[in-house]
Amino acid sequence: EVQLVQSGAELKKPGESLKISCKGSGYSFSSYWIAWVRQMPGKGLECMGVIYPGDSDTRYSPSFQGQVSISADKSINTAYLQWSSLKASDTAMYYCAKQSLSGPGSYSWGQGTLVTVSS
Amino acid sequence: AIQMTQSPSSLSASVGDRVTITCRASQGIRNDLGWYRQRPGKAPELLIYSASSVQNGVPSRFSGSGSGTHFTLTISSLQPEDSATYYCLQDSNYLLTFGGGTKVEIK
Repeated sequence: EVQLVQSGAELKKPGESLKISCKGSGYSFSSYWIAWVRQMPGKGLECMGVIYPGDSDTRYSPSFQGQVSISADKSINTAYLQWSSLKASDTAMYYCAKQSLSGPGSYSWGQGTLVTVSS
Repeated sequence: AIQMTQSPSSLSASVGDRVTITCRASQGIRNDLGWYRQRPGKAPELLIYSASSVQNGVPSRFSGSGSGTHFTLTISSLQPEDSATYYCLQDSNYLLTFGGGTKVEIK
């Protein structure tokens, strides 16, 4: 069974750094793109960027370029989303999602990581 | 970047009603489109992929159609458990883009 398990909720202060994780199991982790998706409170879904763990090829959506860093460690089947200096506006639920074998438009999702940034 | 315009942003319908949600792409995306349902506090769940293929386990009242730039999700007979927000997602290029969402309420 394909599973994506994300790290737990975080409460951070503005200016702090953070790295959240997404561990895949039940499939060949290196062979499928993983996306990071932001959902701000009461808002819709936004793709922040994607990574191909096999060679760490990474693409960022223009709105998120320079704001976050996406990485992966295929040796431990884990993808990461990282901030160097959090802002209150980074408060959101963050999901990882894996491209699925079913066909175009099909993704399996992690359970989400809630990040709260507050002084 | 490919933009996805979803309509309506919300709707209210009765149990048993036929409901249609539309997504338009800013450029052709073949059939590289999925439809998702998101219940409050939960991750999105896949309903339709490849624009018209129903995911295993999804009730047959859900169907999808379209290709190129115009896509629809239809719920043939709305049920109480269908109260949720629905999103389209395109992955024609590397970066996914989502429609703005349609909140479906039961009258």
